[in-house]
Amino acid sequence: GEDVEQSLFLSVREGDSSVINCTYTDSSSTYLYWYKQEPGAGLQLLTYIFSNMDMKQDQRLTVLLNKKDKHLSLRIADTQTGDSAIYFCAESSTDSWGKFQFGAGTQVVVTP
Amino acid sequence: EAQVTQNPRYLITVTGKKLTVTCSQNMNHEYMSWYRQDPGLGLRQIYYSMNVEVTDKGDVPEGYKVSRKEKRNFPLILESPSPNQTSLYFCASSGDRESWTNEQFFGPGTRLTVL
Repeated sequence: GEDVEQSLFLSVREGDSSVINCTYTDSSSTYLYWYKQEPGAGLQLLTYIFSNMDMKQDQRLTVLLNKKDKHLSLRIADTQTGDSAIYFCAESSTDSWGKFQFGAGTQVVVTP
Repeated sequence: EAQVTQNPRYLITVTGKKLTVTCSQNMNHEYMSWYRQDPGLGLRQIYYSMNVEVTDKGDVPEGYKVSRKEKRNFPLILESPSPNQTSLYFCASSGDRESWTNEQFFGPGTRLTVL
């Protein structure tokens, strides 16, 4: 999606932290999501944040939102080999509830 | 088990031969969507539906049709497929505005090749 941008590739060593970045453009009330896609599978929601929040933590996952810069990040602590996947950032607006914009996806490769 | 199913999972066809990819959800969700996934482009929304008989275009609707005659089903129709519609297609569903997270549940995908 042209309105949501992410870097395409990230390599990280097992046990380190991963940080995946995303920028979005919608300025209205917005939900922002992180989805994970494992090889040969559909997408699975990891976490989400509403645009009036700054941070959300869920076990190993931390989402940070910089509203001024429209920048979203996902930090995965203690990255494991099972975290190797494609991660998608997505947004939807409360003005257009069924309409979603996805980024191109970040391929995360975890090396031993 | 709550799920979104798609059929077929794999399809090879020829240019111009009409085809339908079915999608069904058993979660009584109001919203359903179709996406295509292409390398380097991520997921692009083709069409979405807010309820029975209510549909709207996504970002890439050209060459596709949809219908929502029943709440659980949302088929994707390619009247005259062309090679540029070769892609991986995903159906997804999500609840109404009361389920305020708007989490989407995705089907397993349909890999379509148009020769």
